[in-house]
Amino acid sequence: GEDVEQSLFLSVREGDSSVINCTYTDSSSTYLYWYKQEPGAGLQLLTYIFSNMDMKQDQRLTVLLNKKDKHLSLRIADTQTGDSAIYFCAERRRNSGYSTLTFGKGTMLLVSP
Amino acid sequence: DGGITQSPKYLFRKEGQNVTLSCEQNLNHDAMYWYRQDPGQGLRLIYYSQIVNDFQKGDIAEGYSVSREKKESFPLTVTSAQKNPTAFYLCASSLGAGNNQPQHFGDGTRLSIL
Repeated sequence: GEDVEQSLFLSVREGDSSVINCTYTDSSSTYLYWYKQEPGAGLQLLTYIFSNMDMKQDQRLTVLLNKKDKHLSLRIADTQTGDSAIYFCAERRRNSGYSTLTFGKGTMLLVSP
Repeated sequence: DGGITQSPKYLFRKEGQNVTLSCEQNLNHDAMYWYRQDPGQGLRLIYYSQIVNDFQKGDIAEGYSVSREKKESFPLTVTSAQKNPTAFYLCASSLGAGNNQPQHFGDGTRLSIL
């Protein structure tokens, strides 16, 4: 299938906002997800958004969805060094009656003190 | 606590050997998944199972096999037919396959070739 695209790397200073972008491919995708992966660990679900929403806010996290452009972003306010990790976006696609997730390659976020 | 347990954390395989990676969940989830992650790559789906005794091939099933005899268990066998098995393997589960059922992940197994 077609790729979910993410920029590979983002560097910010502690206290700044981080914005991680993602372009997905399937206009019929119903849910879009953001996951966080710390070194040597599995993926932790951060948040998700339903495709009929434009925005979702959850504490320091804000997800924006532009369905027309198939563009998804994750904003982390007041970024901390503990936010340093790889962030994956994923879209839920239909596949022969089942739905599966298709992941981007991940954006490595580096937060410097 | 409920969660997904993958074992072992590290696994070494000799050439020509089959190895089996364990994945157990106590979340009472119906659906389970296996992904492969290579450095700098996203996750690629190997196999998934919507319900006990049923599973489907994902995007890269060749050289792998699975079974789903119990709801809580979804072991993955990496066979000798998989020519490049060195990777990080992640197991996930979700309550079901439809609507919004987020996938929750284990901590992974890192497989290396000796």
